[in-house]
Amino acid sequence: EAQVTQNPRYLITVTGKKLTVTCSQNMNHEYMSWYRQDPGLGLRQIYYSMNVEVTDKGDVPEGYKVSRKEKRNFPLILESPSPNQTSLYFCASSLRDRENYGYTFGSGTRLTVV
Amino acid sequence: KQEVTQIPAALSVPEGENLVLNCSFTDSAIYNLQWFRQDPGKGLTSLLLIQSSQREQTSGRLNASLDKSSGRSTLYIAASQPGDSATYLCAVRQVDSNYQLIWGAGTKLIIKP
Repeated sequence: EAQVTQNPRYLITVTGKKLTVTCSQNMNHEYMSWYRQDPGLGLRQIYYSMNVEVTDKGDVPEGYKVSRKEKRNFPLILESPSPNQTSLYFCASSLRDRENYGYTFGSGTRLTVV
Repeated sequence: KQEVTQIPAALSVPEGENLVLNCSFTDSAIYNLQWFRQDPGKGLTSLLLIQSSQREQTSGRLNASLDKSSGRSTLYIAASQPGDSATYLCAVRQVDSNYQLIWGAGTKLIIKP
């Protein structure tokens, strides 16, 4: 089944403890992206990647890191999480250079930083 | 800067009614528009994708239309059911935007049995 898989689904952590949220897709998509969703603010893009070893900042990159060492994986790293990073996170993927292709989203990761 | 607006923000209707959700955007330079469904605290499920050259797409009881020149899209749900209760989001893929999706705030739909 074609899908984007995020792990974990739920995570509670303490301020300052480094964490990684994994994202993997099995559709051979070049493009991958991370969004966060907050009440009243909607979905905002954190980082995106056009292909392996190519990443760039979205609208709200502060406090996050990403890497794209393999085409299928795009982990989101929070080196020193803070309570304002408590949010619902989504990973998405799509084909590049196919403007009329849609996006596939993962099931989300609900992160709470205390 | 592209802005996407969804009206109404919330809608409650009795089961069985046909209903229309609206999505408007300010810049018509888009590649496509995608409608998603989100259940509370859950993931995003893609419902329909309309390419910029298309006028409408249909999937089961759902029909989405696109009028790019006026910056509008509608999602029509026929014979609504309680299981349709969710938040519906529209998102546009802007030309020259590095593939970023621009999102509406969503319409929260409640179908009463």
